[in-house]
Amino acid sequence: AQSVAQPEDQVNVAEGNPLTVKCTYSVSGNPYLFWYVQYPNRGLQFLLKYITGDNLVKGSYGFEAEFNKSQTSFHLMKPSALVSDSALYFCAVSPDRGSTLGRLYFGRGTQLTVWP
Amino acid sequence: GAVVSQHPSWVICKSGTSVKIECRSLDFQATTMFWYRQFPKQSLMLMATSNEGSKATYEQGVEKDKFLINHASLTLSTLTVTSAHPEDSSFYICSARVEREASEADTQYFGPGTRLTVL
Repeated sequence: AQSVAQPEDQVNVAEGNPLTVKCTYSVSGNPYLFWYVQYPNRGLQFLLKYITGDNLVKGSYGFEAEFNKSQTSFHLMKPSALVSDSALYFCAVSPDRGSTLGRLYFGRGTQLTVWP
Repeated sequence: GAVVSQHPSWVICKSGTSVKIECRSLDFQATTMFWYRQFPKQSLMLMATSNEGSKATYEQGVEKDKFLINHASLTLSTLTVTSAHPEDSSFYICSARVEREASEADTQYFGPGTRLTVL
């Protein structure tokens, strides 16, 4: 069965400090990996994705993520957090590369709070 | 690019009525769209996959006759909640899959969501 785990429901960090939001996955084959962010009462915004190539992926708003195949992880990082980064973050996996299915499996989300 | 809109953004209706939610891809064509339901402080639950020109594929436990999906064109999918009840109150989010370029492969872009409240 396909699954995505975000082990932390909450991550709290001071503004200016680095942040990490963890994600591990269990899927067959070589999946595509995604991070999305959701602000209150809004849809999800695409942040970044890993398809192939360099394991360090850079995305929107200064976020980056590192793909680690051996640990089946795709942690989201940012060197210096902003208060405006406070939101709900979702890791997602697409196990069906290029297929007509294309469905995503989501983690349960991690609430990031950055305090001033 | 890759903008998805949803309409309405919120709706309040009486129990027993039907509500239609539209999902549009504004600057790209999408043969595949997805409908999700999200409960407070929870992850997204996939309800169905909407395929242009064919029947939607529903996830297990989702009533096909209650949640009608129509994907009539490459830029529009609609979700109709029929005979709505208070337990159908939720945040409904659609997404559209970009298929135009390999670099966009399988990326889903999401609408802003629709808050449905059934009285």
